[in-house]
Amino acid sequence: EDQVTQSPEALRLQEGESSSLNCSYTVSGLRGLFWYRQDPGKGPEFLFTLYSAGEEKEKERLKATLTKKESFLHITAPKPEDSATYLCAVHPMDSSYKLIFGSGTRLLVRP
Amino acid sequence: GAVVSQHPSRVICKSGTSVKIECRSLDFQATTMFWYRQFPKQSLMLMATSNEGSKATYEQGVEKDKFLINHASLTLSTLTVTSAHPEDSSFYICSARDLTSHQTQYFGPGTRLLVL
Repeated sequence: EDQVTQSPEALRLQEGESSSLNCSYTVSGLRGLFWYRQDPGKGPEFLFTLYSAGEEKEKERLKATLTKKESFLHITAPKPEDSATYLCAVHPMDSSYKLIFGSGTRLLVRP
Repeated sequence: GAVVSQHPSRVICKSGTSVKIECRSLDFQATTMFWYRQFPKQSLMLMATSNEGSKATYEQGVEKDKFLINHASLTLSTLTVTSAHPEDSSFYICSARDLTSHQTQYFGPGTRLLVL
């Protein structure tokens, strides 16, 4: 069964304290892996799409990487405005267009 | 680019009434849109896949007669919650698949439904 697991469930960081969020996945074949950011009471905001192992993408303080079994979202020198829930989703090869979401990591960055 | 809107953002209704939520892709055409439901502090739960010009595909356990989906054009899908009850209160989010952007799904801002 296709599955996506995110860890940790919650993460508290001091401003400037870099860290990484993990997304482990089990799928029969990967069409793509997506990272989204979700603020309370809002819809998810698209961050990155990764397609193959070894691929990396960056946007400001965020960097996403992909291996055959997991993806990491690295946050460098975070700021309080980076506080949000970060969602990982995979698009399995045999799922038509449906995404399978992880449960998310709630990030809190303290000033 | 890749903006998806939802209307209304919040709605309060009485038990037994029906509520329609609109989802629009503003700057791209979407042959496929998706409707999700999200409970507090939980991840998104896919309810149905909406295909332009054809019937929606519902996930297991989602009542198609209760959650009516219509995808009449390449930029608009609607979700109607019929005979709403308090247990239907939730955060409903739509997404649209952008074919020109490697099939990335872009999400709307969500609709908070409260049924009294």
